[in-house]
Amino acid sequence: NAGVTQTPKFRVLKTGQSMTLLCAQDMNHEYMYWYRQDPGMGLRLIHYSVGEGTTAKGEVPDGYNVSRLKKQNFLLGLESAAPSQTSVYFCASRWDRDSETQYFGPGTRLLVL
Amino acid sequence: ILNVEQSPQSLHVQEGDSTNFTCSFPSSNFYALHWYRWETAKSPEALFVMTLNGDEKKKGRISATLNTKEGYSYLYIKGSQPEDSATYLCAFAGTASKLTFGTGTRLQVTL
Repeated sequence: NAGVTQTPKFRVLKTGQSMTLLCAQDMNHEYMYWYRQDPGMGLRLIHYSVGEGTTAKGEVPDGYNVSRLKKQNFLLGLESAAPSQTSVYFCASRWDRDSETQYFGPGTRLLVL
Repeated sequence: ILNVEQSPQSLHVQEGDSTNFTCSFPSSNFYALHWYRWETAKSPEALFVMTLNGDEKKKGRISATLNTKEGYSYLYIKGSQPEDSATYLCAFAGTASKLTFGTGTRLQVTL
């Protein structure tokens, strides 16, 4: 099993450009999450999904959209990138109980100029 | 917005020292408390998931305790080694389907 994978690993964007980050998991997990990690801020939840076809807002959703068309994939979109979105983005997934641990992907480093 | 606090923010110990960190979380609507270990340039890895008041978990030299009534958890490392150097995150799970993370305690163990 590959676990949780993320593509791309690194990307540089210009302000106003758009892009999509892909998260894929092969563990048949129901729940998937997108976080951003900034210095001194810890991991902050952007959006999450509790199953195929569902999405919900997290703590910092503005400027991002998500889709979960297939159970194994969770896409994070930036329609018009801003320098404030420079960050490291982590995807995570878990089974369907709150006590179950989350498994994290390797992260995507995004730089918006 | 849930408040999950960790202290200290950073810690520098010598090899062989024992150390502990604190995670404070809301004492209401508690479902679970997670601990993760996060090495630089890697992704967080789960250490423990604790659900019951009074829970104690152990993995090698690392152990954790949980007090849900007063809203805190301690993580202990016995005989710290350089490979223990990492950021240790706690995360609170309420009744919603998501975790709220603390900002972490960064541990540096030197020879």
